[in-house]
Amino acid sequence: DAKTTQPNSMESNEEEPVHLPCNHSTISGTDYIHWYRQLPSQGPEYVIHGLTSNVNNRMASLAIAEDRKSSTLILHRATLRDAAVYYCILRETGNQFYFGTGTSLTVIP
Amino acid sequence: DVKVTQSSRYLVKRTGEKVFLECVQDMDHENMFWYRQDPGLGLRLIYFSYDVKMKEKGDIPEGYSVSREKKERFSLILESASTNQTSMYLCASSATWPATEAFFGQGTRLTVV
Repeated sequence: DAKTTQPNSMESNEEEPVHLPCNHSTISGTDYIHWYRQLPSQGPEYVIHGLTSNVNNRMASLAIAEDRKSSTLILHRATLRDAAVYYCILRETGNQFYFGTGTSLTVIP
Repeated sequence: DVKVTQSSRYLVKRTGEKVFLECVQDMDHENMFWYRQDPGLGLRLIYFSYDVKMKEKGDIPEGYSVSREKKERFSLILESASTNQTSMYLCASSATWPATEAFFGQGTRLTVV
């Protein structure tokens, strides 16, 4: 299973941008990069995914390095509701989703 | 609204009991997954199924089995529950790669006493 590495925790001030990094040096050419987040007492929810190009949606942006060995999830203006654990995972051709321990984001009012 | 439903939010069982955790999805997804989540360990994949009656082991299958008799239902079975299986259990489903997201249920917090 392909692995990702994320910082255990990060803090951000409310209404400021947040950049959550992820390293995936063993990524293969067909692995999609997915981000999920888990709010307290809930199951994880999908945030965004990409293969090679940067991606934007209503929740966030995903910046993928040219060599694809790292990526960054960007929350443009953090709110208190964005406080969650964020998981960066690789979707392999075998259909599995392997999660790690994620980054716990604290948003400071 | 798409949905993955787990049969119980909270469950308390005794050591040695046979425990069934049920998961149903209404999205006609091929893939279904069972994870357990423990503090400091993140989500760990127990089993997944890519079709009816098909299953594959994840990272931590020991002490668990699964059943998928119908496409919409995926059951996790603890043949003889032990205290080290006390955990949060999460079910998910997704369409086939390279489809986008997995959808998760709300989780079942199982306590084995």
